[in-house]
Amino acid sequence: NAGVTQTPKFRILKIGQSMTLQCTQDMNHNYMYWYRQDPGMGLKLIYYSVGAGITDKGEVPNGYNVSRSTTEDFPLRLELAAPSQTSVYFCATTGYPSYEQYFGPGTRLTVT
Amino acid sequence: QKEVEQNSGPLSVPEGAIASLNCTYSDRVSQSFFWYRQYSGKSPELIMSIYSNGDKEDGRFTAQLNKASQYVSLLIRDSQPSDSATYLCAVNMGGAGNQFYFGTGTSLTVIP
Repeated sequence: NAGVTQTPKFRILKIGQSMTLQCTQDMNHNYMYWYRQDPGMGLKLIYYSVGAGITDKGEVPNGYNVSRSTTEDFPLRLELAAPSQTSVYFCATTGYPSYEQYFGPGTRLTVT
Repeated sequence: QKEVEQNSGPLSVPEGAIASLNCTYSDRVSQSFFWYRQYSGKSPELIMSIYSNGDKEDGRFTAQLNKASQYVSLLIRDSQPSDSATYLCAVNMGGAGNQFYFGTGTSLTVIP
């Protein structure tokens, strides 16, 4: 079992470019999440999904979009990248009934 | 406003000592509590989960929960240099999506 996988590991974008961060899980969990982590700032929730076809905004959704067409995949789309989106992005899943949350290895994104 | 608070540290302990990490949370109805370890440049790794008042032990780690005081702690016995990391407290405050709220983390250094 790979758990939660994310691609790419690193990416440099120019201002105004777009990209999709990929997240795939093989844990058969319904709940999936996208976080960003800035130095010293903790984890901030961007979007979450409670199952295929159902997504909702978290604390910091502006500038991002998500979709969830399957249980396994939860891609995060950045449109019109801005320097403020320079961060480390983590995808996570939560299972039932433990509600333990498991993280992917992260994507380090720099926007210049 | 749902909050999880931790002492940011840094906390330094000598090898073999007990490290004590503390966390308070704002939502009285929270049911699930977690401790994550995060090494520099890596993703958060789940090390303990606790759901009931009292202590839960797993190897050198003990989690303590007091719901009346809205307080959760992590004790690391016989601290090793490999325990040097940032420890994140996380609280599942339920609601739509079973969202997690994270503290900003406590940086622990174990001195050989």
